[in-house]
Amino acid sequence: ETGVTQSPTHLIKTRGQQVTLRCSSQSGHNTVSWYQQALGQGPQFIFQYYREEENGRGNFPPRFSGLQFPNYSSELNVNALELDDSALYLCASRRPGPETEAFFGQGTRLTVV
Amino acid sequence: AQSVAQPEDQVNVAEGNPLTVKCTYSVSGNPYLFWYVQYPNRGLQFLLKYITGDNLVKGSYGFEAEFNKSQTSFHLKKPSALVSDSALYFCAVRDSYGNNRLAFGKGNQVVVIP
Repeated sequence: ETGVTQSPTHLIKTRGQQVTLRCSSQSGHNTVSWYQQALGQGPQFIFQYYREEENGRGNFPPRFSGLQFPNYSSELNVNALELDDSALYLCASRRPGPETEAFFGQGTRLTVV
Repeated sequence: AQSVAQPEDQVNVAEGNPLTVKCTYSVSGNPYLFWYVQYPNRGLQFLLKYITGDNLVKGSYGFEAEFNKSQTSFHLKKPSALVSDSALYFCAVRDSYGNNRLAFGKGNQVVVIP
């Protein structure tokens, strides 16, 4: 196991609702990224947080937002849920620097109905 | 923007035979390359990475990968496949310019036949 924990593991929401996903990073890691993995696809980068600031964002609309806390844990918030938001959401933590490997949590399976 | 191509959807190999999973990449500047494995309903597990130096990188569980700059490839290999190696394998790249995004390929399903 990586030491990155995500909650909840599964979630069912109705279209138009809002959802918050949570992630605890591995000890010593101050950089947290979130990815969306649709069924049968590779993970897609949503955004990254470093020292509580967003410092990189993928091609996702503003209704995807996040936070990082002083203990480096993080939240992903999605407003106005759409059916296409159904996916596995992965959190990854790492030390800073482009050469460092990311360690992933087990993911949160979000189903929007 | 960086990108990865994994041309095969599924790789079938007999147990005990060599396993190769192909990956080509596109990136500005020097690439940082990674391989991950994913088991059903689980997160991604890090296998190995190439940063610089020796083109042959050794990683976890007997896996290795060969970096080829001229062919922009980073193929994953294992000399003798096990049934337990059956999983989904992802190649990923990050550039050296401070772009924080890890770009993943679509993944390759590896099936090791007993």
